[in-house]
Amino acid sequence: KAGVTQTPRYLIKTRGQQVTLSCSPISGHRSVSWYQQTPGQGLQFLFEYFSETQRNKGNFPGRFSGRQFSNSRSEMNVSTLELGDSALYLCASSLENSGTPNTGELFFGEGSRLTVL
Amino acid sequence: GQNIDQPTEMTATEGAIVQINCTYQTSGFNGLFWYQQHAGEAPTFLSYNVLDGLEEKGRFSSFLSRSKGYSYLLLKELQMKDSASYLCAVFMTTDSWGKLQFGAGTQVVVTP
Repeated sequence: KAGVTQTPRYLIKTRGQQVTLSCSPISGHRSVSWYQQTPGQGLQFLFEYFSETQRNKGNFPGRFSGRQFSNSRSEMNVSTLELGDSALYLCASSLENSGTPNTGELFFGEGSRLTVL
Repeated sequence: GQNIDQPTEMTATEGAIVQINCTYQTSGFNGLFWYQQHAGEAPTFLSYNVLDGLEEKGRFSSFLSRSKGYSYLLLKELQMKDSASYLCAVFMTTDSWGKLQFGAGTQVVVTP
């Protein structure tokens, strides 16, 4: 069974540009979450999508946005990039199935490492 | 939000035992996860505790005390491959499954 796939793995942008990152969850997983990981702040929750709807949102500015498609694939977009947006962006999917014991385990992708110059 | 505390770094020798503590605020708490993250890799799930007590999985055990807002991850018979960052994460009652609040992580260094 394929894991969570994120593209691109590495990218370099300059301040003011925008970037779109893609995430394909594990087949059958409908929940997709996005996290930002930096050495100073650790893993910070960005947002979560479930069945194409944003179900939860972290404390990030409106420049950070996302969406989920009908096949559960998700994208996140960061507009007007700032130097501080340099980070590893991790996508995670989880299985939610009523009636099935749910450990709540998140399956993470390898991440997209964004460098803003 | 949560204030999750765990030590920054711990060093231990191969074959030894290391205990990584994690404290959190109890209000709204629903469950606690431990993840392992090797450098340059994705975090991987180790354990999930929702009830008080000890959960054992091979060389790894996790303990939870809900009333004290305290958990620990116990790594036994340490191996070099256990050198990694260990992340404590809290799941709140008000949140959906995909949202976890992570501690900063504890870097465990295993020496020969």
